[in-house]
Amino acid sequence: GENVEQHPSTLSVQEGDSAVIKCTYSDSASNYFPWYKQELGKRPQLIIDIRSNVGEKKDQRIAVTLNKTAKHFSLHITETQPEDSAVYFCAATANMDSNYQLIWGAGTKLIIKP
Amino acid sequence: DVKVTQSSRYLVKRTGEKVFLECVQDMDHENMFWYRQDPGLGLRLIYFSYDVKMKEKGDIPEGYSVSREKKERFSLILESASTNQTSMYLCASLGNEKLFFGSGTQLSVL
Repeated sequence: GENVEQHPSTLSVQEGDSAVIKCTYSDSASNYFPWYKQELGKRPQLIIDIRSNVGEKKDQRIAVTLNKTAKHFSLHITETQPEDSAVYFCAATANMDSNYQLIWGAGTKLIIKP
Repeated sequence: DVKVTQSSRYLVKRTGEKVFLECVQDMDHENMFWYRQDPGLGLRLIYFSYDVKMKEKGDIPEGYSVSREKKERFSLILESASTNQTSMYLCASLGNEKLFFGSGTQLSVL
């Protein structure tokens, strides 16, 4: 079945620098890749997603890139700010149009150092 | 704004007790999910439901059951709680291709 690996498990960056989190997936049929952010003590929330017919998507300081050949996708955060500190989860699914069974990465704890 | 409400934020139970975790959503969503969240393991799907009275096993259904008698309510049941079920439990509903999560229930089984 599908497997999603996420790296690194912890990432510490200086405020203002960029952060990159990478995920690889195993099922070549996967066609939808969301990213969720979970701040400490709060619920996960969708921050950005990408479909397999697109190579890159941006939303202000965050972007996601997808390489279907290599089967990996990445989250890029530029000009990091203290409020970016959180755990970030990637996910993948080949069943977006049916039961939406997401396979999740293990999460990356992003720490923004002042 | 979509609301997904979980009945308890913190719960402490004893080994062998029957435990009910309740989840209610107010947006008429068809698909609802129960996840378990443990450090370093991400989110693992326990059960999901795509309609009233319909349920499907996720990746780790052992020791759990679910109930969906009404569209807005999806309950997770631990038939006989064990210490290895100590965890954070997250309920979610699906709308507009987006998962909306509840605030979670931190369950401790002693």
